[in-house]
Amino acid sequence: QKEVEQDPGPLSVPEGAIVSLNCTYSNSAFQYFMWYRQYSRKGPELLMYTYSSGNKEDGRFTAQVDKSSKYISLFIRDSQPSDSATYLCAMSQNSGGSNYKLTFGKGTLLTVNP
Amino acid sequence: NAGVTQTPKFRILKIGQSMTLQCTQDMNHNYMYWYRQDPGMGLKLIYYSVGAGITDKGEVPNGYNVSRSTTEDFPLRLELAAPSQTSVYFCASRVREGPHEQFFGPGTRLTVL
Repeated sequence: QKEVEQDPGPLSVPEGAIVSLNCTYSNSAFQYFMWYRQYSRKGPELLMYTYSSGNKEDGRFTAQVDKSSKYISLFIRDSQPSDSATYLCAMSQNSGGSNYKLTFGKGTLLTVNP
Repeated sequence: NAGVTQTPKFRILKIGQSMTLQCTQDMNHNYMYWYRQDPGMGLKLIYYSVGAGITDKGEVPNGYNVSRSTTEDFPLRLELAAPSQTSVYFCASRVREGPHEQFFGPGTRLTVL
């Protein structure tokens, strides 16, 4: 079983739709949970991160973590064409001292159609 | 701040050639990373550095070498390029405190023919 599983999509939705992106994981040592957004031919950029189980909201984006189920989600409300990108989940664990190792999902390609 | 910069943007190599991918950050970050991203495969860690003079292997280090002589620069060396090294390479950096945000460069697209 892979440490982090993410459905690669692609996912195509109409503008204004609610989008749900998900990852599952198997490693209980993961402590921090992140979502990165990557536009075509660009580097990933951090969108949101959470530490504990529960929800975290930032504008149209909500990150949800359920540690008991080893499941994380990213919800996008009122999706816009500018949200079209690949979304990568990432999880970190301490690998000694202040070093944290990030493990990435494969990414989900999202297209929001006007 | 320019953030993390990478050169070149694109490169085509022949099998057996060598090259160095350059990475520079101007944020005074201690930690720097090299990843490769293959289509549909996510990001794989090649090498990382926790500070000048200190480097360590990641998940897929074979065929690569790194050095870190300054805080700002973290070049990645490919020796004897192989088609399996065709990929997009990303350099990233982060501050020492906090486990989360890594700042990524724009990437180098490398093709080995």
